Formats: sequence, structure tokens, C-alpha cells
Amino acid sequence: QSALTQPASVSGSPGQSITISCTGTSSDVGGYNYVSWYQQHPGKAPKLMIYEVSNRPSGVSNRFSGSKSGNTASLTISGLQAEDEADYYCSSYTSSSTRYVFGTGTKVTVL
Amino acid sequence: QITLKESGPTLVKPTQTLTLTCTFSGFSLSTSGVGVGWIRQPPGKALEWLALIYWNDDKRYSPSLKSRLTITKDTSKNQVVLTMTNMDPVDTATYYCAHYFIAAAGYDYWGQGTLVTVSS
Repeated sequence: QSALTQPASVSGSPGQSITISCTGTSSDVGGYNYVSWYQQHPGKAPKLMIYEVSNRPSGVSNRFSGSKSGNTASLTISGLQAEDEADYYCSSYTSSSTRYVFGTGTKVTVL
Repeated sequence: QITLKESGPTLVKPTQTLTLTCTFSGFSLSTSGVGVGWIRQPPGKALEWLALIYWNDDKRYSPSLKSRLTITKDTSKNQVVLTMTNMDPVDTATYYCAHYFIAAAGYDYWGQGTLVTVSS
């Protein structure tokens, strides 16, 4: 089981849009529409932001959106705000016996 | 309202066995489609998935740690227990338990986490 690949860092100015990629294989990201995204502020527990590729839980801002193409999923944050500065992790269901895998994590910096 | 809370020792010695308990409320682990998982995060590092137990007692483990991990549930007490044997300083991390919703294959509720330090 290998972790999904994410860029180590992404940055943007307030108001801009940024996109975080999450690359897996046909056994996980590419094979199922079960990609989730988590936001984690320092010292806090992760928070589910997106599930099933593009669905937002109740209470999550519509500035967060998800998509998928082939073996790569993406999280887009539009209208970037200071409070969006955090670490973001993708995850996916996998056909391996473990059934679950996380990404390597991306630090988002608001300039 | 779903809540989860981890409990256990904050300090363990190398080679010892770690036992962590996740006590939850707001859902039942006997309900179809529900699971509870454990995830850890070493200081300054990424999340690492450890184990998951489903409502039907199906269990899944991280391949790299499978020989050291055991996950069990006590439905009557609303608790899930994770044991990790032969602890090493590299196992120092914040350990989280989280509610897993099969339909979405995601962890939608998380505990606050508990920091476990492995040191002699």
C-alpha cells in the first residue's frame, strides 16, 4: 500500500484560487469515486471537507470543490482566505486488503 | 451528535505494548455501514492510517504494522480498543480515532487525538 502523492506545498494570495492534486493508481483514485479531502489546522484534528470526489458535508464552504480525472483527484479552493491556511490530505478507498489510503499531505500558505 | 475521544497512556517505554481506547457516542457500532478507524500522526509529519473495524467485526490493518496491531470493539460499551506491541521511539505520534462511513468511504468525525511519546 503506497500513499497517494500530493505536492508538498501550494500557495496563493487572498482571493485567488488554488488547486491541490492527489495522484494514485487505478486500484484506488482511478478505480473508485471514493476520494475524500481533509483539512488540518496546527494542533487540531483533521476535518472532512470533501467526500465521494466532489460532495461537501454540511457546513463546509462552497469555496471548496473536488474533482477527478483518471488516477488524479483535485481539490480547488476558490476565493482563498487566511483561514484556509492549513494542511490538506486526500484519501481514497483502495482495492488492496487495507481498503484505505491517505495522501502525503499538502501545506497551503496564504501569502 | 457524534463524538469520539481517545484515552490511554501518554508515555510508554520502548518494547512495551500500547493500549488505546476510543470511547464514542452518537452512533452504534452495530449499525450496518459504520466503522471506527485509528490514524496517527508523528510530530510534523503526515497522517498515517493504522486500522479499521467495521460493524460486522471485519478488521483491516496497515500492511507495514499489521503484525503489531490488534483492533477490537465492545459494542455494549461504545468502545474500540487498539493495541500496538513492541513500541519504538518512531511510534511517537498523536493517535486519532474516527468514525468511518462506508457509503462515502470517509472519516467524517474525529476525536481530538492523544499524544503518545515512546521514551525510556
